[in-house]
Amino acid sequence: GAVVSQHPSWVICKSGTSVKIECRSLDFQATTMFWYRQFPKQSLMLMATSNEGSKATYEQGVEKDKFLINHASLTLSTLTVTSAHPEDSSFYICSAKPRTAYQPQHFGDGTRLSIL
Amino acid sequence: AQSVTQPDIHITVSEGASLELRCNYSYGATPYLFWYVQSPGQGLQLLLKYFSGDTLVQGIKGFEAEFKRSQSSFNLRKPSVHWSDAAEYFCAVGPNNAGNMLTFGGGTRLMVKP
Repeated sequence: GAVVSQHPSWVICKSGTSVKIECRSLDFQATTMFWYRQFPKQSLMLMATSNEGSKATYEQGVEKDKFLINHASLTLSTLTVTSAHPEDSSFYICSAKPRTAYQPQHFGDGTRLSIL
Repeated sequence: AQSVTQPDIHITVSEGASLELRCNYSYGATPYLFWYVQSPGQGLQLLLKYFSGDTLVQGIKGFEAEFKRSQSSFNLRKPSVHWSDAAEYFCAVGPNNAGNMLTFGGGTRLMVKP
């Protein structure tokens, strides 16, 4: 089945540093990738939609300069949390939509980000 | 605007008992509906989806869901719950069957008593 790999699975870093999270579709090409944020015991909130080769579309209230998204190829999208602060601590999940029509999104296992 | 409501935040059932998780949606066009399961610290796994046709949809792990347009519902059911089913369950609605721009419900945490 379709596999989405997200790396790292857990990262702890100091306030002010930037953190990059990778999302890879391992066995399919993804025209669109999505980035979600999930707070403890809450649902997923869509942050942005990224299409290969074009700029990401951010949801209202999401700072595009804070959360940089790059979708350089059909199998890789990255989310960089710039100058991270404790309030950015969260669980970030990516998903990838296969290029094949009528296929649902496939989700990565998420990245737990903890900013000290 | 589309929205999804999962009225039950927590549900506890005994192992072997039947299960029904409720999901109500609001959507202006034909809805495409999904149920996902999330184990702690993990991503989401698709259990089943409804695009069109038969309103009773079979999924993985013995789950099924029934689409009822008149009630705007897409409830998830399982006849006999196993301890390994304990997880968070999310209902989602999307604008097309490819699952773009999913809107998720708040989730239902299922606990299974031995």
